[in-house]
Amino acid sequence: AQTVTQSQPEMSVQEAETVTLSCTYDTSESDYYLFWYKQPPSRQMILVIRQEAYKQQNATENRFSVNFQKAAKSFSLKISDSQLGDAAMYFCAYRSAFYNQGGKLIFGQGTELSVKP
Amino acid sequence: DTEVTQTPKHLVMGMTNKKSLKCEQHMGHRAMYWYKQKAKKPPELMFVYSYEKLSINESVPSRFSPECPNSSLLNLHLHALQPEDSALYLCASSQEVQAGYGYTFGSGTRLTVV
Repeated sequence: AQTVTQSQPEMSVQEAETVTLSCTYDTSESDYYLFWYKQPPSRQMILVIRQEAYKQQNATENRFSVNFQKAAKSFSLKISDSQLGDAAMYFCAYRSAFYNQGGKLIFGQGTELSVKP
Repeated sequence: DTEVTQTPKHLVMGMTNKKSLKCEQHMGHRAMYWYKQKAKKPPELMFVYSYEKLSINESVPSRFSPECPNSSLLNLHLHALQPEDSALYLCASSQEVQAGYGYTFGSGTRLTVV
């Protein structure tokens, strides 16, 4: 069974600074997808960034980028130029590419990010 | 339309009540999901529908009964719930179960069982 681990329950960053959230995962599959989701107090889960396991190039979306280390099974999220609106719970998630897994998203425990003005 | 719409946003129900949660999407997605989320915890999968057929039931108690009347609509029927069932119920959709795209989530129904 696949597992996702986020070892930082809480993180804090100063506005305009950079912060990195950690995520490791365990799987025996070779083809899968990794995601970072953001859940602000408004509670809607928002997709931040997506990585395909067979692509070595790290995904980037504006101020958000990942460091994907497939051999180490590590998938960290870097937020540059942090803004007050980035304050939220961040979940790392894994999704198998195989149909028999049913499209299930497996989430880590989450990291609560606060941004100080 | 790129949204998943969930109604109601808040629901308070007694343990003997019957109520339903509704989820709707018009993105042409063929996979739809129900998740349950407790405060400061990750979402936990309850059900997966693929092409309007139930494909995964994560051993959810029978007091939760899902229904997918058509490709755009997903319901969750609730009956004889317990206080521990109080949680945020999230609906999500994706193009297909095996596609690598992320889910689109609704904003959830906050359920309180009294």
